[in-house]
Amino acid sequence: QKEVEQNSGPLSVPEGAIASLNCTYSDRGSQSFFWYRQYSGKSPELIMSIYSNGDKEDGRFTAQLNKASQYVSLLIRDSQPSDSATYLCAVTEGYQKVTFGTGTKLQVIP
Amino acid sequence: NAGVMQNPRHLVRRRGQEARLRCSPMKGHSHVYWYRQLPEEGLKFMVYLQKENIIDESGMPKERFSAEFPKEGPSILRIQQVVRGDSAAYFCASSQGDGYGYTFGSGTRLTVV
Repeated sequence: QKEVEQNSGPLSVPEGAIASLNCTYSDRGSQSFFWYRQYSGKSPELIMSIYSNGDKEDGRFTAQLNKASQYVSLLIRDSQPSDSATYLCAVTEGYQKVTFGTGTKLQVIP
Repeated sequence: NAGVMQNPRHLVRRRGQEARLRCSPMKGHSHVYWYRQLPEEGLKFMVYLQKENIIDESGMPKERFSAEFPKEGPSILRIQQVVRGDSAAYFCASSQGDGYGYTFGSGTRLTVV
């Protein structure tokens, strides 16, 4: 069974710091990788997608992918209290449904 | 572009009744997915549909649950004879194809009393 593992947290960081969120996956055939943000009581929102090894930056967010280690991470620079949410790592082989991790709860302390 | 539209937002059913959840995908999206989320838990895949076809229903319970995505109209997730354990948030998502990220609807919060 394909698995996506995340530390449930909560991960607490002070405002302005870098938050580092990690994810490992079991299926070596995975091709597409996503990070979603979910505020309490709301639906998930896609914030980053990455398809090849290396880093991808978008504003304060950087996604990192290492297929050899089956590892995906999300860095949030200059963390803001509004970044406090649960971050879901998601993986797919491309022709199947997306498998989600259980999420890491991030708390940014003002 | 109205995004993924789900209704109702909240649904209360008594045990033994039927629940019907509706989802209209984003314009231009032909792939629809249903996920269930229990409080403080992750998103669990239920079913993947394209127009008039069920592509993958490996996450659907064998009994009482069914889904469809007709040629015209929204996708429907139907739960017959609901039980308290069916209480959860049900999210619909759509995408433009395999390998693309999903856009989620606001979800339907089902409460079985």
